[in-house]
Amino acid sequence: AQSVTQLGSHVSVSEGALVLLRCNYSSSVPPYLFWYVQYPNQGLQLLLKYTTGATLVKGINGFEAEFKKSETSFHLTKPSAHMSDAAEYFCAVTPLGGAGTALIFGKGTTLSVSS
Amino acid sequence: DSGVTQTPKHLITATGQRVTLRCSPRSGDLSVYWYQQSLDQGLQFLIQYYNGEERAKGNILERFSAQQFPDLHSELNLSSLELGDSALYFCASSVGVAAETQYFGPGTRLLVL
Repeated sequence: AQSVTQLGSHVSVSEGALVLLRCNYSSSVPPYLFWYVQYPNQGLQLLLKYTTGATLVKGINGFEAEFKKSETSFHLTKPSAHMSDAAEYFCAVTPLGGAGTALIFGKGTTLSVSS
Repeated sequence: DSGVTQTPKHLITATGQRVTLRCSPRSGDLSVYWYQQSLDQGLQFLIQYYNGEERAKGNILERFSAQQFPDLHSELNLSSLELGDSALYFCASSVGVAAETQYFGPGTRLLVL
């Protein structure tokens, strides 16, 4: 079965520090990959997605992620954290690439940012 | 604001009862997805409708059912509720049928007492 693993349920960084949230997937067929963010008491908002083409994907709010097929990873990074980045982050895949429909989510990583 | 609306925002009910959650997709979107978010199971896909027809099914219990109406809004019906059904239920929508960006609504928080 397809699965998504997010390493670290909680990540804490200082304001201005590098943010690195890890995501690994298992899929026999290259999937489409997504990162969503969930702020308290809100729905999920798409940060970025990878379908095909360039493996380094830039998203909103200064985030980016790199698809590494050999490592089955899609880690999310941001060079400098802001207090407003504190939220829960979810990595998701649609298995079977473009033929998939439903999103399979990881367990989520809560990002805390301290001043 | 994603453009997806869900009502009600909060729902408190008792075990054994039946509730209906409503979702209106973004204008122009034909697909509607339902997801359940709970502390122990995380975010799980329940069911997808595309232009009125069931398209894909996930971990949806037999006590749960959904439908999509001609105006493309969707309803998720939860019956014979149990304590374990307490969760956040999200609706998402997308333009087409497969592997596209899904836009999520704010969710309905269900508490079963």
